[in-house]
Amino acid sequence: KNQVEQSPQSLIILEGKNCTLQCNYTVSPFSNLRWYKQDTGRGPVSLTIMTFSENTKSNGRYTATLDADTKQSSLHITASQLSDSASYICVVSDRGSTLGRLYFGRGTQLTVWP
Amino acid sequence: EADIYQTPRYLVIGTGKKITLECSQTMGHDKMYWYQQDPGMELHLIHYSYGVNSTEKGDLSSESTVSRIRTEHFPLTLESARPSHTSQYLCASSEPRGDEKLFFGSGTQLSVL
Repeated sequence: KNQVEQSPQSLIILEGKNCTLQCNYTVSPFSNLRWYKQDTGRGPVSLTIMTFSENTKSNGRYTATLDADTKQSSLHITASQLSDSASYICVVSDRGSTLGRLYFGRGTQLTVWP
Repeated sequence: EADIYQTPRYLVIGTGKKITLECSQTMGHDKMYWYQQDPGMELHLIHYSYGVNSTEKGDLSSESTVSRIRTEHFPLTLESARPSHTSQYLCASSEPRGDEKLFFGSGTQLSVL
């Protein structure tokens, strides 16, 4: 069964600290993996996309990694800010159709305290 | 910032009422989607469209219907709202190049009493 599991479910860190969010998937065949950030009361916004051949990709203070062999991805946030408080959602796409079926994780709720 | 808009942002309505959730995008995207999101749960696809006059049901069984008469407009209608329809509804669109990057609206939080 194609699934996307994220951990931890929630995380509280102090401003300025680093953190790492995990995403494990069983989706096959694999096309790409995206991390989205969803602020409270808003729709998700794409942070980064990882394809099969990519191991690491950075977007400012966000760095995503992908291990296609173990089917794991992580999102590392450096020097956290209060504005990083949000839900981070991992989404995996397969190649099963022209539409590209998407599998969503339940998200990690990150809270950054001052 | 995505140019995709949803109205209303919040809606509280009584059981049995007919409602329409509006979604418009100005990016010219052919693909559009409706997702349902409950707190702490993953997004579930309820409807999608490849373009004008194309509508398909998604993975989650839904009593709602959609229409796509214009590229930019993808409204969702509930003929008779029930408390079980209480949820966050997110509209999204994607570019035609196939990497499935979604652009989301801000959502409509629906409460059915």
